[in-house]
Amino acid sequence: AQSVTQLDSQVPVFEEAPVELRCNYSSSVSVYLFWYVQYPNQGLQLLLKYLSGSTLVESINGFEAEFNKSQTSFHLRKPSVHISDTAEYFCAVSDNQAGTALIFGKGTTLSVSS
Amino acid sequence: DTGVSQDPRHKITKRGQNVTFRCDPISEHNRLYWYRQTLGQGPEFLTYFQNEAQLEKSRLLSDRFSAERPKGSFSTLEIQRTEQGDSAMYLCASSPRGLQSSPLHFGNGTRLTVT
Repeated sequence: AQSVTQLDSQVPVFEEAPVELRCNYSSSVSVYLFWYVQYPNQGLQLLLKYLSGSTLVESINGFEAEFNKSQTSFHLRKPSVHISDTAEYFCAVSDNQAGTALIFGKGTTLSVSS
Repeated sequence: DTGVSQDPRHKITKRGQNVTFRCDPISEHNRLYWYRQTLGQGPEFLTYFQNEAQLEKSRLLSDRFSAERPKGSFSTLEIQRTEQGDSAMYLCASSPRGLQSSPLHFGNGTRLTVT
C-alpha cells in the first residue's frame, strides 16, 4: 500500500521569496505522483503530475517538482512566490499498476504575506 | 463543462439519522470517486466507480456507508445511523479516463455535521 508524508503542515513566507514544500512517499511498486492545490473557498485542482520520463515537471504558474526515486521524494518548489499562491497544497500518489485511487498527504498550508 | 456538482453543500443532522449526498460528475466522465476529508487531513479515498460498476472500496467504508451510480451518471453516497465521527467534508471527483492521462476534477464537497 502507498502512503504520503508531507513534512510541513504550515509554511509561511514573504512575497517573492523561494519556497519548497516537501513530500515523501512509500510504495512497493512504481507510482504516479501528483500535487493538487486548493485555493480558499475552491475545490481541489491538479497543479502538476509525474507519470514517467523527465523527473522534473512544471506547472503553468511557475511551480516545479522533481521526482527522486532514491529518496522517494517529490518536493514542490517555486523560486518566487506571489500573494495569490496562498493555498493548501496536497501531494498524492497512485499505484501505476492499478492506477485507480489517489492517496493524499495531509496537506501543507502555504501562506504568502507582503 | 460545468464542473462536478455536489448537493447539498452543507448538511447538519442528529446522530442516528440517515443522510444521502448526491454528486453529478462532468458529463461523459465515466470514472467517479468519493473521498472524505476531515480537518487537518488530506482527502481519504472511500470508493470508485467506472460507469455504473463499483470497482474499489476502502476499508474506511463501513457497512453503514453505501454508494451507488445506477445509470453511470450521477452518484449517491448514503450514511446510515450517522455518528459524530462521520462529521467531515465529503468530496466527489470525476475523470474521463485513468489517472495516467487525465486529472481528477473535484467538486466543492458536502460538509456534514453530526450533532
